[in-house]
Amino acid sequence: GAVVSQHPSRVICKSGTSVKIECRSLDFQATTMFWYRQFPKQSLMLMATSNEGSKATYEQGVEKDKFLINHASLTLSTLTVTSAHPEDSSFYICSVQGVSNTEAFFGQGTRLTVV
Amino acid sequence: QKEVEQNSGPLSVPEGAIASLNCTYSDRGSQSFFWYRQYSGKSPELIMSIYSNGDKEDGRFTAQLNKASQYVSLLIRDSQPSDSATYLCAVNRNTGGFKTIFGAGTRLFVKA
Repeated sequence: GAVVSQHPSRVICKSGTSVKIECRSLDFQATTMFWYRQFPKQSLMLMATSNEGSKATYEQGVEKDKFLINHASLTLSTLTVTSAHPEDSSFYICSVQGVSNTEAFFGQGTRLTVV
Repeated sequence: QKEVEQNSGPLSVPEGAIASLNCTYSDRGSQSFFWYRQYSGKSPELIMSIYSNGDKEDGRFTAQLNKASQYVSLLIRDSQPSDSATYLCAVNRNTGGFKTIFGAGTRLFVKA
């Protein structure tokens, strides 16, 4: 399966600042990557689909201007949480999938705490 | 109605017993079904995948799929304390764009 590396694993930032999270596919060229958010004791909620070389597709209710996604290469997608607020504190996870019917390979996740 | 529904639990079983986890989904066009295990503070890891009706066994795990009933289950035999985790049911669909939809997860506790 694909190896996905996510960085950083933990980050604490001040309210109003921006945070960038990186997701790298180490052994697989991913034209598509997915970003999820998970609040405590809740399931993974798909935020957006990151498409290499084009705009990301955001799920309903996710602010595209707040959660900036860039997928400039086949191995790297970034999620930037802009003007972070305490309610943005969550576990952010990226994933890569092969052809449409294969399982998802997840990064290690990023625990974001906004203080 | 949620696309993928699971009983949130917690489900508590004694060590050595069979744990039965259930999941229903709403999109009849779904073709791929997965069970992931997630330990607290960690990313999900794949336990089983199933694509056709019937049973699929892998070690202590058996996944069951019934597309007519839109139902997927996971049986864990000889449950161990290390199986204590949240189990996420996931469904791939290709309606309105390809994506994986996760259930809310069932928390399993295996008592030693």
